[in-house]
Formats: sequence, C-alpha cells, structure tokens
Amino acid sequence: DSGVTQTPKHLITATGQRVTLRCSPRSGDLSVYWYQQSLDQGLQFLIQYYNGEERAKGNILERFSAQQFPDLHSELNLSSLELGDSALYFCASSVGTGGNIQYFGAGTRLSVL
Amino acid sequence: SQQGEEDPQALSIQEGENATMNCSYKTSINNLQWYRQNSGRGLVHLILIRSNEREKHSGRLRVTLDTSKKSSSLLITASRAADTASYFCATHNSGGSNYKLTFGKGTLLTVNP
Repeated sequence: DSGVTQTPKHLITATGQRVTLRCSPRSGDLSVYWYQQSLDQGLQFLIQYYNGEERAKGNILERFSAQQFPDLHSELNLSSLELGDSALYFCASSVGTGGNIQYFGAGTRLSVL
Repeated sequence: SQQGEEDPQALSIQEGENATMNCSYKTSINNLQWYRQNSGRGLVHLILIRSNEREKHSGRLRVTLDTSKKSSSLLITASRAADTASYFCATHNSGGSNYKLTFGKGTLLTVNP
C-alpha cells in the first residue's frame, strides 16, 4: 500500500459529461502529480501541485483542470468528455518537488462510452 | 515530452534468467529512478541513482548509470514469474522543467515459469 488513495476506482460515463477524480496523498507529502495512461500514449504527465500551488504543467487539455486543497488532497476535473479520454488516471505524491521519489495511487479507470 | 527511452520495448525470458533493460535520456539529470508497474496497477518505486553514482544495488536489482553516454540499465537477476511487469525509467532533469520526473514509455518484461 503506497498510502496514496484515489477514488473512485472505476468510472463509466458518457461523452460530453464531466467527472471529478479525487486523490489523497501520503501523510506528510506536499506534492501531488496527475498522470494519464493509455495504451497508445503511455504515461503522460498532466499537472503538479505543491502545497496548494500549481508547479508544473504537462500535456493537460483545456477541458481538464485540477486543484489542491488546504488539506492537500487534490481533485482532477475532466469535462466535455470524449471517447479518447478513456484511460487510467494516476495520482502520485512526494514529499517535495523535483526529483523526489513518487508514490502512486492505484488509479481511476475512466471509460467514456 | 519523453526524456527517457527504454529499450527493448518488450522482453520475454524464462524464470531464473537475468533480465536487462536500458534507458537512454537526452539532457543532464540530477537523478534517475526506476519504477515497476504490474498490469493495471499503480507504479512502484524500485531504485534511485544520483548523477554522481555509477552503480546501485537493491536485492536482485542492479542499476548502472553512465552520464557520459546518458544511459542507465536495470538488471534483474534470477528472475521470477512475479517480476512480470512493465518497467519505467524516470529522470529528474537538472535544467528547466525540474519540478517533476519525466517518465519513459517502459519495457514490458514477461517471465515465463
């Protein structure tokens, strides 16, 4: 158990809908990272937050947004969903930023029908 | 953008054999990490090697780093069926974009019993 909790584990929704994925980092970790993993694109970095502030942005679509709350949990919001958004979404946390070891949650499997 | 590129993309061996995976990267790094991912699960950190280190061991794992060639290798000795997983290298760049790790596309290792 990595100590990182992601909910829900599975999500099935329709195109055009909006969903929210939730992540609770390991106790004491200030950084949260979001990744998208699909068969054709591999593991794609989306966005990172450190202590409530956005620190780095990757290939995150404008339809996607995230935030980190004062209690350090984070949410990833995906809107106007398309079939191509079907993927595994991982959250990871680390103590600091940069090259710290990242601890991954079990992921949320999103299926857009 | 991808920094680390693992080679080979897929590797199939028999139980008891050694498995070697390689990672090449393009820019200077502070550290390089290897992660394992069992099918559909979250990534698990295996080992971290800093830019001033050349070799590191952890149990049956041996990692080498050659900064002059910008490459690293992960050796798993006496492989077991339970080692079947995807293996990713991740780099912490020493220049810009150094708030995060950059993951490669992974090597899929299959260990046949």
